[in-house]
Amino acid sequence: NAGVTQTPKFQVLKTGQSMTLQCAQDMNHEYMSWYRQDPGMGLRLIHYSVGAGITDQGEVPNGYNVSRSTTEDFPLRLLSAAPSQTSVYFCASSYSFGDTIYFGEGSWLTVV
Amino acid sequence: ILNVEQSPQSLHVQEGDSTNFTCSFPSSNFYALHWYRWETAKSPEALFVMTLNGDEKKKGRISATLNTKEGYSYLYIKGSQPEDSATYLCAPPSNTGKLIFGQGTTLQVKP
Repeated sequence: NAGVTQTPKFQVLKTGQSMTLQCAQDMNHEYMSWYRQDPGMGLRLIHYSVGAGITDQGEVPNGYNVSRSTTEDFPLRLLSAAPSQTSVYFCASSYSFGDTIYFGEGSWLTVV
Repeated sequence: ILNVEQSPQSLHVQEGDSTNFTCSFPSSNFYALHWYRWETAKSPEALFVMTLNGDEKKKGRISATLNTKEGYSYLYIKGSQPEDSATYLCAPPSNTGKLIFGQGTTLQVKP
C-alpha cells in the first residue's frame, strides 16, 4: 500500500528554471493538497483540490500552478523558480474534508 | 482564511512532566478539528479527528478535548517522554476542503 507518493525527494534548481513536483495517491481520495514548510511558519497551504478537474488556491498560491486531471495525481508546477520558493513541500490527501489526512514524505527544493 | 491560533508557540518540559496546549479556531461553521504530530524531517502524522462538542479522545498518554461553542481544543500529554518531542499542529477544515494549519506548538522534552 503506497499511500501518498511524492517525487522527487530532493531537487536543486537555478533561478528561472521550471519544474514539476509529482504527487500520487492510491487510496481513491478525493481531496488533495500541497503545503510548504518554512522555518517558523508551520505548514502553509499552496493549492488544493476537492476532486478531478477542481482546484483552488490556498494561502500562498503565487508562483505555483496545479491541475487535477485524474483522482490519483496532483502535480505542482513551479513556472519560474525563485529563491523564495526554497522550502520543503508536502503533498497530502484525504477521502473527505473531515477525514484523516495522509501526507507524503516531503520534497526538499533548493533554488539557487 | 480561517484564523487558527495555537499556544504556546514552544514548550520545554522535563521528562515525566504533564503538559497541555491550546488550539483556538472560529466557532462558526465548525465541521471538524484535526490534531497532528510532526517530528523534524518527517511527515505530519494524524493524532485525532474530532467532530462533536465535548468530544474527548485518547491515544496512549495523549488526549484531546473539544469545545466547538467557544472554539478551542486542548491537547494533553501525561508523563512526557523525550520521544514526545515534536511540533503539534491543529487545523479545522472548512466545508470547501481548505485545511489551514495553525503554526503549531513545538514541545521539547528533556531527559
